[in-house]
Amino acid sequence: QKEVEQNSGPLSVPEGAIASLNCTYSDRGSQSFFWYRQYSGKSPELIMFIYSNGDKEDGRFTAQLNKASQYVSLLIRDSQPSDSATYLCAVSPFNQAGTALIFGKGTTLSVSS
Amino acid sequence: KAGVTQTPRYLIKTRGQQVTLSCSPISGHRSVSWYQQTPGQGLQFLFEYFSETQRNKGNFPGRFSGRQFSNSRSEMNVSTLELGDSALYLCASSASSGPSYEQYFGPGTRLTVT
Repeated sequence: QKEVEQNSGPLSVPEGAIASLNCTYSDRGSQSFFWYRQYSGKSPELIMFIYSNGDKEDGRFTAQLNKASQYVSLLIRDSQPSDSATYLCAVSPFNQAGTALIFGKGTTLSVSS
Repeated sequence: KAGVTQTPRYLIKTRGQQVTLSCSPISGHRSVSWYQQTPGQGLQFLFEYFSETQRNKGNFPGRFSGRQFSNSRSEMNVSTLELGDSALYLCASSASSGPSYEQYFGPGTRLTVT
């Protein structure tokens, strides 16, 4: 059973701090990794994707991937109250021809002003 | 560019009925995937359609089916509805099919089965 694990939280950080969200996956051959943000009552919104080991930065967001440790993380710098949402980690399994993703159950982030 | 659209947005059905949900992908996108989201199970993959063919299927019973039309629009059907089918059904489109293609979600259809 291929799994993606996330701490459900809530993760609480003050405004302006760095929020660190973590995700582990069981399928060692997983190919692609995505972070989605989901506000309450809304659909998931893609914020980052990463395919290679290392860091990838996009504005206030940095995704980090360590395939040897089967670990992917998302850092949010200068956190804002508007970042308060559930963050979903998604993984594309090994040896899959299509676009199916396995999702973690998400980490709830709360940024206090 | 317009995003993914789904209709209807809300639906209430009775056990035993069937339902059809519709999804129009982002213009130019050829792959459509369907997911079910519930509080207990989270987001789970149902199936993917690419070039009118089912590319992948998740671990759901045969009551769940879908199709894709030549304009890439997709429908999913659930027959003999059960209470446990109450969920948010999300459609996601991507430019093509494959693990490196990003998926963009529509607003979802909230299905309630009574």
